[in-house]
Amino acid sequence: EVQLVESGGGLVQPGRSLRLSCAASGFTFDDYAMHWVRQAPGKGLEWVSGISWNSGSIGYADSVKGRFTISRDNAKNSLYLQMNSLRAEDTALYYCAKARRMSGTFAFDYWGQGTLVTVSS
Amino acid sequence: IQLTQSPSSLSASVGDRVTITCRASQGISSYLAWYQQKPGKAPKLLIYAASTLQSGVPSRFSGSGSGTDFTLTISSLQPEDFATYYCQQLNSYGFGPGTKVDIK
Repeated sequence: EVQLVESGGGLVQPGRSLRLSCAASGFTFDDYAMHWVRQAPGKGLEWVSGISWNSGSIGYADSVKGRFTISRDNAKNSLYLQMNSLRAEDTALYYCAKARRMSGTFAFDYWGQGTLVTVSS
Repeated sequence: IQLTQSPSSLSASVGDRVTITCRASQGISSYLAWYQQKPGKAPKLLIYAASTLQSGVPSRFSGSGSGTDFTLTISSLQPEDFATYYCQQLNSYGFGPGTKVDIK
């Protein structure tokens, strides 16, 4: 059974940093691209960042480019999101999602339950 | 690439045929997916490559379209289908604003 479990969320002041983690199990982690998607309270889905199976291809939404860094450790079956210079508008539930293939234009077939990030003073 | 969805919300009854439209600001071939999200839950993949049903998804869901215009159809709405539906373009992974389907 595929499982994605996010952690690392919490309350953080504007301008500070936070690192999210996603622990994957139930599939061969290094065969698939992975993504982060967020959802602000009561709002729609926003793609944040994605990384190919071997970290050779990485992308970011314009809203987080230069502030967030995605990475993965295939030996630990884990995905990460380093979030720096956090802003109030980064407040959201952050989901980890598995792509259907190792890279490229493929949909997200499994999602975690999310970890909540609240940016407030 | 921007996605628009219509309607933004709709009210329907069990057994109704429901159609949701997603339009892309530029052509995206068939690089489109549809997701269902229920309150407090993670999104669930329904359709990928515009018209391919994800494994385990009931056959009452179908998708069509290519280029800029796409549709998600629920042939006979069931009680468990009341949810919000999002389209997603897979070139740069942006999502549409969502369509909320609730009970009439």
